[in-house]
Amino acid sequence: GEDVEQSLFLSVREGDSSVINCTYTDSSSTYLYWYKQEPGAGLQLLTYIFSNMDMKQDQRLTVLLNKKDKHLSLRIADTQTGDSAIYFCAETPSGNTPLVFGKGTRLSVIA
Amino acid sequence: NAGVTQTPKFRVLKTGQSMTLLCAQDMNHEYMYWYRQDPGMGLRLIHYSVGEGTTAKGEVPDGYNVSRLKKQNFLLGLESAAPSQTSVYFCASRGGEAFFGQGTRLTVV
Repeated sequence: GEDVEQSLFLSVREGDSSVINCTYTDSSSTYLYWYKQEPGAGLQLLTYIFSNMDMKQDQRLTVLLNKKDKHLSLRIADTQTGDSAIYFCAETPSGNTPLVFGKGTRLSVIA
Repeated sequence: NAGVTQTPKFRVLKTGQSMTLLCAQDMNHEYMYWYRQDPGMGLRLIHYSVGEGTTAKGEVPDGYNVSRLKKQNFLLGLESAAPSQTSVYFCASRGGEAFFGQGTRLTVV
């Protein structure tokens, strides 16, 4: 079945770059997503990448997709304290199959 | 979050009571989902729908029922609430991008 794996914690210093990694198992995935969840809040769609792309950049965010290794990463440049949150990776396997989420990576930014 | 509204935002139920959570989206999306989020468990899929009039079971469907009578609405029902259903419930809808509601925090005492 489908499975999405993420490391649970990441700690970085303010101003450094953060890289959050994700691996998935379904090679037929169409869209891959990154969501941000702040304490007590819902999931905010940060960015997504279609499976025929290998990179997408949006301001401080860069998504890299290695389809051969089924590896997705999210790079946050110039990380700020406001970036502290849980980041979820999710995939949509083919057809009508629902989104499958990783357990989330808690990013802590140290001032 | 764009276009997905959940009601209510908070609710406290006694064991055995019933309730319905409403999810509404205005993006004309076909796919809608209900997830629950518990500490250390990530998001687990309860039920989902691939279009008006359709529903399907997810990973943790027991104790819940759903209905999708109108394309824009996806209802999640608890017929007889149990303390194990204390959780935060999220609804999502998907066209290409997938958007989430702000969540319903449910406590069953």
